Amino acid sequence: LAKTTQPISMDSYEGQEVNITCSHNNIATNDYITWYQQFPSQGPRFIIQGYKTKVTNEVASLFIPADRKSSTLSLPRVSLSDTAVYYCLVGDMRTSTLGRLYFGRGTQLTVWP
Amino acid sequence: EPEVTQTPSHQVTQMGQEVILRCVPISNHLYFYWYRQILGQKVEFLVSFYNNEISEKSEIFDDQFSVERPDGSNFTLKIRSTKLEDSAMYFCASSRQGLNSPLHFGNGTRLTVT
Repeated sequence: LAKTTQPISMDSYEGQEVNITCSHNNIATNDYITWYQQFPSQGPRFIIQGYKTKVTNEVASLFIPADRKSSTLSLPRVSLSDTAVYYCLVGDMRTSTLGRLYFGRGTQLTVWP
Repeated sequence: EPEVTQTPSHQVTQMGQEVILRCVPISNHLYFYWYRQILGQKVEFLVSFYNNEISEKSEIFDDQFSVERPDGSNFTLKIRSTKLEDSAMYFCASSRQGLNSPLHFGNGTRLTVT
């Protein structure tokens, strides 16, 4: 699976838009990009998944440039409850590796009042 | 929204004892997983399970570990002879279509081996 690089930590204030960028230079043709969120003492929670261009759901947007070597998770108008670790994962979601998600260190987002 | 539930939330055991961690995946999901997270470390894949057999396992999942789906709803992880280094949060997850659909994680069981 493609290795990912993301900032270790980010700080923001309530109401601001937060963009977390993930670098995945070795992404393969069949790889998808998935973001998870984890609060302390809880399991990771799926946020969004995409392959190219832009994906949006009720929680976030995911921007993927044409070369797919990076992606940006955008959280609009964050609140204190968005303080969490955010993981970027890249992998081929269609192969026989039915469970092996590789979590890196993630990005600790801290939202301040 | 349906959830993956795990019991117990916290298990304390002595080194060498056997523990069984229990999970109830989301009812229409077909793929089941166990992950673990040692305090302050990354979330690590242990094993995936589909069609009543192990699909894939990591190097962590050695002979002391086993998984079972004893009935139509439960999915268990057994650690036969616990070691101090098995202390971690253990997360169960399930998905509808393997990695083509998102994994839904439970809130974990904190295992403490003394």
